[in-house]
Amino acid sequence: EPEVTQTPSHQVTQMGQEVILHCVPISNHLYFYWYRQILGQKVEFLVSFYNNEISEKSEIFDDQFSVERPDGSNFTLKIRSTKLEDSAMYFCASRPTRTDTQYFGPGTRLTVL
Amino acid sequence: AQSVTQPDIHITVSEGASLELRCNYSYGATPYLFWYVQSPGQGLQLLLKYFSGDTLVQGIKGFEAEFKRSQSSFNLRKPSVHWSDAAEYFCAVGGYAGNMLTFGGGTRLMVKP
Repeated sequence: EPEVTQTPSHQVTQMGQEVILHCVPISNHLYFYWYRQILGQKVEFLVSFYNNEISEKSEIFDDQFSVERPDGSNFTLKIRSTKLEDSAMYFCASRPTRTDTQYFGPGTRLTVL
Repeated sequence: AQSVTQPDIHITVSEGASLELRCNYSYGATPYLFWYVQSPGQGLQLLLKYFSGDTLVQGIKGFEAEFKRSQSSFNLRKPSVHWSDAAEYFCAVGGYAGNMLTFGGGTRLMVKP
C-alpha cells in the first residue's frame, strides 16, 4: 500500500540554523500539507499546498517557513532560522482530491538546541 | 472557526472491556470527521472517517464511530479492547473545501491486563 514517507526521522540542529524537512507524498495525490505537534500538545496545521502554490496557511507559518515541491515528487518544509520553540514533530500529509482523506507520514522529530 | 474538544485526556480500561472516546466539534457547515490513532513514536493512522450518509461508520481494528449532528459529537467506540489498542487517539474535523484538519487535544488510552 502506498505511504507518505518523511526524512530524516530525527533532526537535531542549533538555534539559528536552517533546516529542511523532506516528504515524499503518495504519487497520485494532489494536495499536500504540513502539520506540527509540540510535545504533549495537539497536532496543529501549518500549511496546505496545491498546484504549486500555498492554498492556506496558519498563523504559525510565518516568514521563517517556506514550502516547495522542487521536482514533482518531493515536498519540503524549510525553516530559515530555527528557534527553540520550533522543536516539535512535523508531519507531512497528502490527499488525492479535495474531498478525500489526508494520509500522514511518520513524522520528523526536530530538536533545536 | 472550527474546533474539536476531546474531554478526556487519559482513559484506562481493562482488556476486554468496552471503550468510548468522546469528541465534540464546532463547525459552521457539514463537517468531515476523522479519528486517527498514534502509537508511541509513530505517525497518525486513520481509523475511520465520516463524510456523509450512514451516521454509524465502521473503521479498522474493530472501531466504530457515530455522528450525532444534534449533539455535535463523533464518539469512537470499541466493544472489546485489546492491549494493542493502547495509544493516543485524535479526533479531527475538516470541511468540503478540503484544506486544513483541526485536531482535538487527544485522548491517551491505557489498557490494563
